[in-house]
Amino acid sequence: GAVVSQHPSWVICKSGTSVKIECRSLDFQATTMFWYRQFPKQSLMLMATSNEGSKATYEQGVEKDKFLINHASLTLSTLTVTSAHPEDSSFYICSAPGEWTDTQYFGPGTRLTVL
Amino acid sequence: DQQVKQNSPSLSVQEGRISILNCDYTNSMFDYFLWYKKYPAEGPTFLISISSIKDKNEDGRFTVFLNKSAKHLSLHIVPSQPGDSAVYFCAASPGLGGGGSNYKLTFGKGTLLTVNP
Repeated sequence: GAVVSQHPSWVICKSGTSVKIECRSLDFQATTMFWYRQFPKQSLMLMATSNEGSKATYEQGVEKDKFLINHASLTLSTLTVTSAHPEDSSFYICSAPGEWTDTQYFGPGTRLTVL
Repeated sequence: DQQVKQNSPSLSVQEGRISILNCDYTNSMFDYFLWYKKYPAEGPTFLISISSIKDKNEDGRFTVFLNKSAKHLSLHIVPSQPGDSAVYFCAASPGLGGGGSNYKLTFGKGTLLTVNP
């Protein structure tokens, strides 16, 4: 199946700093990518839809100024957590639909810990 | 309002037996359903999917059944193996194709499957 990568796989940062997470589709192009967040023992919660060439669409309750999304190319979307706080600590996962299928393929996730 | 529900947080079965994971949904706009398997600290791995025009889809040991009138789907794993132990997520989307929000997935809370040797 299609491969989606994320970088970094984990990051620890101090409160107040900004952290950038990259999501890449390795062998296919993705005009749309999705960013999810998962708290321990919780479901995956969709944060935003990343659209290549246009602004991201954020879900209700997600601060767009805090979680900056840039879909720089057909294979790369980035999520920047700005002025991170401990409550932003979570597991962030991206996904992209395959080019010729409705199936979404997920990245391995990024564990963010804010001290 | 939870649009995709997995009412069993956990399920334990013996190796070699059948595992049945259930999922209910409320949104009649959902047209495409997927099952994902997830290990801790990893991204979900796609298992199998089904579109609303079908009532069954089979792939090896995995079969998904869809009862559209009941808004219910289930994943059957036969025979279950210890390596199947993971959290299984049911997901739904408006599908099919069309890009953008048609791919937006709504997930259930997951069911932790434990297959005992």
